[in-house]
Amino acid sequence: EVQLVESGGALVQPGGSLRLSCATSGFTFTTAWMSWVRQAPGKGLEWVGRVKANIHGGTTDYAAPVKGRFTISRDDSKNTVYLHMNSLKIEDTAVYFCSWLYNNWFDPWGQGTLVTVSS
Amino acid sequence: QSALTQPPSASGSPGQSVTISCTGTSRDVGGYNYVSWYQQHPGKAPKLVIFEVSKRPSGAPDRFSGSKSGNTASLTVSGLQAEDEADYYCCSYAGSDTYVFGTGTKVTVL
Repeated sequence: EVQLVESGGALVQPGGSLRLSCATSGFTFTTAWMSWVRQAPGKGLEWVGRVKANIHGGTTDYAAPVKGRFTISRDDSKNTVYLHMNSLKIEDTAVYFCSWLYNNWFDPWGQGTLVTVSS
Repeated sequence: QSALTQPPSASGSPGQSVTISCTGTSRDVGGYNYVSWYQQHPGKAPKLVIFEVSKRPSGAPDRFSGSKSGNTASLTVSGLQAEDEADYYCCSYAGSDTYVFGTGTKVTVL
């Protein structure tokens, strides 16, 4: 069974940093492209970014609102993908989901982890 | 990149059909056959119900179907059941290795 479990969500002050983790199992992580998607309270889904498999270069791409502040990385030895968030803003408050980006669709998803940016 | 446009709400009685539209541009929906649809129940993670415009993943009921015409994609839920009451989001590849989601539609089963 494919599983994705996010962790690391917390309350953080504006301007702060946070690292989210997404531990995976049940599929060949080393060849998987992984993505992060967020959902602000009561709002819709917003794509955050994606990391390719290392065999495909391991490159990353990001949505405009987070570019330059967020970084996605992966540790294939731990089957884990990370979202490093810097210079956090109040508008970054959201539940952050990780997902397997399989041929341009997202499936499955983790249960999400809540990040609250507030003073 | 602006969110794809969906109607805020849609509804139907049990057994009826409901169709949700998802309007983008030629740079996303109209430019690629990579439209997917997700069902999200309150407090839960989204779940894939349609990929590549009209394909159903294993496990998704055949009551779900998708289509596309020009810059607008559509999701139809036939034979509505109580468990279909949820939020639905479309998503499209938008070029340059980016993706864009729709604004979301709340489906109510009357």
